[in-house]
Amino acid sequence: KNQVEQSPQSLIILEGKNCTLQCNYTVSPFSNLRWYKQDTGRGPVSLTIMTFSENTKSNGRYTATLDADTKQSSLHITASQLSDSASYICVVSAFDDMRFGAGTRLTVKP
Amino acid sequence: DAGVTQSPTHLIKTRGQQVTLRCSPKSGHDTVSWYQQALGQGPQFIFQYYEEEERQRGNFPDRFSGHQFPNYSSELNVNALLLGDSALYLCASSRTGAVIRNIQYFGAGTRLSVL
Repeated sequence: KNQVEQSPQSLIILEGKNCTLQCNYTVSPFSNLRWYKQDTGRGPVSLTIMTFSENTKSNGRYTATLDADTKQSSLHITASQLSDSASYICVVSAFDDMRFGAGTRLTVKP
Repeated sequence: DAGVTQSPTHLIKTRGQQVTLRCSPKSGHDTVSWYQQALGQGPQFIFQYYEEEERQRGNFPDRFSGHQFPNYSSELNVNALLLGDSALYLCASSRTGAVIRNIQYFGAGTRLSVL
């Protein structure tokens, strides 16, 4: 069973709208959590990195939150743009062990 | 400062053949990890190299092997290719001893198609 579960699996929104992606994990002990954006056929690019003591981190229109008690994270995208269409992958690290979620496929339509 | 570079970008092979993929890590990075990403899936960890040795390995058969060179670059070799080996192969580099562990930078990947 994957220790990092992402939802929804896919999402379609209209340009300019906001959306929130979810990541639940059971990885332990927790070291850090990262959100990556991956364009089709390309390598993942880091959006945010959060350690145990951080509960929110922003990168432009992307804001990630972390609740280490409930082992949940979310990625909120504000005022979506067509270029936000990509897969968003949650990665949770436990010291030298990393676990990848399967990703959420986001499509932004005009 | 070049990031992680991978070559080739695309590759087409037939079943039973062997393939070698190459990766140059980001400057200052000494650890290289390889991932297999099937279409619509998250990356699956293959193995990680540090100091020219395989340090960790995921659940992949011995057909998958690797090497790290003194300049920290790395190769991934896959023998006896199967149709199921068709995937995007990602290389990621990191710096051992970084303050935050396992901050990896990914290359653009090599798209392998096995016919």
